[in-house]
Amino acid sequence: AQSVAQPEDQVNVAEGNPLTVKCTYSVSGNPYLFWYVQYPNRGLQFLLKYITGDNLVKGSYGFEAEFNKSQTSFHLKKPSALVSDSALYFCAVRLSSGTYKYIFGTGTRLKVLA
Amino acid sequence: DGGITQSPKYLFRKEGQNVTLSCEQNLNHDAMYWYRQDPGQGLRLIYYSQIVNDFQKGDIAEGYSVSREKKESFPLTVTSAQKNPTAFYLCASRISGVTQYFGPGTRLTVL
Repeated sequence: AQSVAQPEDQVNVAEGNPLTVKCTYSVSGNPYLFWYVQYPNRGLQFLLKYITGDNLVKGSYGFEAEFNKSQTSFHLKKPSALVSDSALYFCAVRLSSGTYKYIFGTGTRLKVLA
Repeated sequence: DGGITQSPKYLFRKEGQNVTLSCEQNLNHDAMYWYRQDPGQGLRLIYYSQIVNDFQKGDIAEGYSVSREKKESFPLTVTSAQKNPTAFYLCASRISGVTQYFGPGTRLTVL
């Protein structure tokens, strides 16, 4: 079955430290991968995506993600965390072309401590 | 959230009552989606539509219905057949590319 896994329910990091939020996927074909962020009682905001090309993708607010085909991972990273980065982060994958359906992970809550 | 509006922000439903959630977009996007969000379960797809007058069931369509009579509108009706409708509902849209953009959401509570 095609799926997306976010193995950590919550990640705590001190302000100024680097952060990583993990995502692995299991889909057939070449995946389109996404990261979104959600603040309380709000919709999801698009951060970045991987379609093809360079494995390191840069996105909004200083976030980046690394696509690793052999490990089927797409981890979200930021070199220096801010307290304002505290939110719920979702990894998503669009299934192989033709279906236009997306699968979302269960989300990882990031807490950046001052 | 810009360009996609959802109303109302909060909605309360009595047992046995149908309610309709509104989703409108002014982005000229072709495809629109409805998701349900429950704590710890991520987003689950209810229905999606790629063009006007056409829509497909997602993974949890039972107890829900939709229509797509206009490109900019994709309302979701939560019927009395949906046994556990309390959740946060998110609408999204997508133009010909791959990125979905989300509305601000509607929180539905059954009284």
